Amino acid sequence: EVQLVESGGGLVQPGRSLRLSCAASGFTFDDYAMHWVRQAPGKGLEWVSGISWNSGSIGYADSVKGRFTISRDNAKNSLYLQMNSLRAEDTALYYCAKGDCSSTSCPLDYWGQGTLVTVSS
Amino acid sequence: EIVLTQSPATLSLSPGERATLSCRASQSVSSYLAWYQQKPGQAPRLLIYDASNRATGIPARFSGSGSGTDFTLTISSLEPEDFAVYYCQQRSNFITFGQGTRLEIK
Repeated sequence: EVQLVESGGGLVQPGRSLRLSCAASGFTFDDYAMHWVRQAPGKGLEWVSGISWNSGSIGYADSVKGRFTISRDNAKNSLYLQMNSLRAEDTALYYCAKGDCSSTSCPLDYWGQGTLVTVSS
Repeated sequence: EIVLTQSPATLSLSPGERATLSCRASQSVSSYLAWYQQKPGQAPRLLIYDASNRATGIPARFSGSGSGTDFTLTISSLEPEDFAVYYCQQRSNFITFGQGTRLEIK
């Protein structure tokens, strides 16, 4: 059974940093691309970032480019999102999602339950 | 960035009726379009990928069609559990989502 478990969310002040993690199990992690998708309270889905199976291809939404960094550790079956210079508009539930292929442009076939990030003073 | 526009924003129907949801892309995405269902308090679930292929375990009442810039998700006969928010997503150029269509009980 595929499982994606996010962690690392919390309350953080504007301008500070936070690192999210996603622990994956139930599939061959290094065969698939992985993504972060967020959802602000009461709003729709926003793709944040994606990383290919070997980290060779990485993409970011314009809203986070230059502030967020995605990475993965295939030996640990883990995905990360380093978030710097956080803003109030980054407040959202952050989902980890598995791509259905090895590149960064895939349907997202499995999702975690999300970790909540709140940016507020 | 490819923008996806979904219509209508809200669709009010009764169980047993047919639902037709639309998604229009700002430029061609070929057939690289997916549909997701999200219920309150839950993560999204993949329904349709590559415009017309049902994901694993998705009932046959869900179908997708279209190519290029215009796409449709059809639910042939609504079940009570189908009332939710639906999102389209393109993967032609990284990933973007539409703003969603809320399917509510009339």
